[in-house]
This record gives sequence, structure tokens and C-alpha cells, in this order.
Amino acid sequence: EPEVTQTPSHQVTQMGQEVILRCVPISNHLYFYWYRQILGQKVEFLVSFYNNEISEKSEIFDDQFSVERPDGSNFTLKIRSTKLEDSAMYFCASNIQGATGANVLTFGAGSRLTVL
Amino acid sequence: SQQGEEDPQALSIQEGENATMNCSYKTSINNLQWYRQNSGRGLVHLILIRSNEREKHSGRLRVTLDTSKKSSSLLITASRAADTASYFCATVGGAQKLVFGQGTRLTINP
Repeated sequence: EPEVTQTPSHQVTQMGQEVILRCVPISNHLYFYWYRQILGQKVEFLVSFYNNEISEKSEIFDDQFSVERPDGSNFTLKIRSTKLEDSAMYFCASNIQGATGANVLTFGAGSRLTVL
Repeated sequence: SQQGEEDPQALSIQEGENATMNCSYKTSINNLQWYRQNSGRGLVHLILIRSNEREKHSGRLRVTLDTSKKSSSLLITASRAADTASYFCATVGGAQKLVFGQGTRLTINP
């Protein structure tokens, strides 16, 4: 069964460092998402991406965050200067029709980011 | 804003019993979905119910939706130890995103 893959599974970084989290969505999917989950809390929407541009972003997704689809397969989330409060599990997801369509989101296993 | 809120926050039952989790939300929706998350892992889609549906079944899962009360329930029948996980409802409105609730941590005791 097709799956969304994320790397790295766990990254530890120093505050102020740049971090890039990588995702390979399912190949025929058109909509891509990043969500995050701070330990013990709910899953929060960060950003959605379609047709090579951001379609929606949350208040969390400030100027420190950016997303890119540098080639036909990867979808990346960059945090320019990490803060302690960026420590969380980051989930990538993809979808063929968008969230309002009949299809549902397929999530990756997540990348755990720890900022020291 | 749309927001799924599940209750209870934690539920512990014996294997073989039924588990019921509830979800409430605030605004109009296109559909409502339930996801499962094993500890430290990603979310796995379980079931989707559209706004014009009232009940849906999938194996041991039964989902109801009451749009007048803006609430949904997930029933897992004949629970197994492997059902131990967190369960989240997620709403989909006009925007292209899911909005997740806080989740219910379900523990099935053997």
C-alpha cells in the first residue's frame, strides 16, 4: 500500500539552528500538508500546499517556517531559526482531492524535533 | 472556528467491552473523520462520515453524526488489546484542511 515517508524520524538541534524536515508524499497525490503535535497535545494544522503554492496556513506558520516542493517527489518544511517551543512531532500528509473531497489524508509516521 | 473536542479524554475498559468516544464541533462541516494514533506514531484514518449521513459502519466501528447537535460518536465493539491507542475526530469545512480535536486515550485491559 502506498505510504507517505518522512525523514528524519528524530532530529535534535540547538536553539537558533535551521532545520529541514523532508517528506515524500504518495506519488499521485496533489495536496500536501504539514501538521504538528506538541507532546500530549492535539494535532495542529500548519500549512497546506497545492499546485506549487501555499493554499492555506495557520497562525503558527509564521515567517520562520517555509515549505517547498523542490522536485517532483519531495515536500519539505524548513524552520529557519528554531525555538524551544518548536519541539514537537511534525507530520506530513497528502491527499489526492483535497480535504473536502471523498478521499482522506494519508499521514506519514512523523519527524520528532527536539530543540535544546 | 471549527474544533473537534473529544470526550472522555481518557477511557480504560476491559477487553471485550464496547468503547464509546464522543466528539463535538462548533461550525458547519462537509464531513467528519476519525483517526487513530498509536503511541509515537502517525495518524491512521479509520472512517469518514459525510454531513448528510447519520450513521456509518466499518467492521467493529460504528460512527454516528448529529449535525443538529454538532456531535459525533465512535463506538468500537468487542474491544481488543490492540485497540489501545489515541482516537481523534477531525472536521472538514470549507477550507482544505482537517481540524483535529484533543483526542481520547483508549486503554484496553486484557
